[in-house]
Amino acid sequence: DTAVSQTPKYLVTQMGNDKSIKCEQNLGHDTMYWYKQDSKKFLKIMFSYNNKELIINETVPNRFSPKSPDKAHLNLHINSLELGDSAVYFCASSHMGQGHGYTFGSGTRLTVV
Amino acid sequence: GDSVTQMEGPVTLSEEAFLTINCTYTATGYPSLFWYVQYPGEGLQLLLKATKADDKGSNKGFEATYRKETTSFHLEKGSVQVSDSAVYFCALSDLGSQGNLIFGKGTKLSVKP
Repeated sequence: DTAVSQTPKYLVTQMGNDKSIKCEQNLGHDTMYWYKQDSKKFLKIMFSYNNKELIINETVPNRFSPKSPDKAHLNLHINSLELGDSAVYFCASSHMGQGHGYTFGSGTRLTVV
Repeated sequence: GDSVTQMEGPVTLSEEAFLTINCTYTATGYPSLFWYVQYPGEGLQLLLKATKADDKGSNKGFEATYRKETTSFHLEKGSVQVSDSAVYFCALSDLGSQGNLIFGKGTKLSVKP
């Protein structure tokens, strides 16, 4: 059983389109996250959700919106895609609080053409 | 704010060589420290962690010791293998980061046979 699964693994789309990436975790964790990894491998946190509430929101364009239907899911919706959105997006989950490591999904490689 | 600085890569070593990847941190409180590894085409995996000063984390032959006096958490391995080729990320979790993980920029390791 995959602990954190995200779909799709690859996504190629045209500028201006709207797309979604899904994430599910079966670990019973109370917090889920979305990270963006650029071409230089730098990881930047985008969102985290705890008990269905957004608890952090970094300087991310409002074209990106997280949606959490329940504790086990955190989907990422992206409107009006731009070339600069091309990256690998990782979902992760953990128990709330420091000292707890994250479990990551295998990533979604988004390419905007 | 909290931050993590790790040595620039890429690092290229021959099989059985000794590995050190330096990592230093800045934090407002008493952070927990982590090393993650990302193999090609995969998500991040927790390699080891330490939650308080002088703790040593270890896994798969890798070790890192939490040094509060030097604010460091250097990763070491006595004899690397080709299969260790990956990108290594140092990270911290702290009250100042609301318990969220702050990552360094990653160090790419290539091990040649």
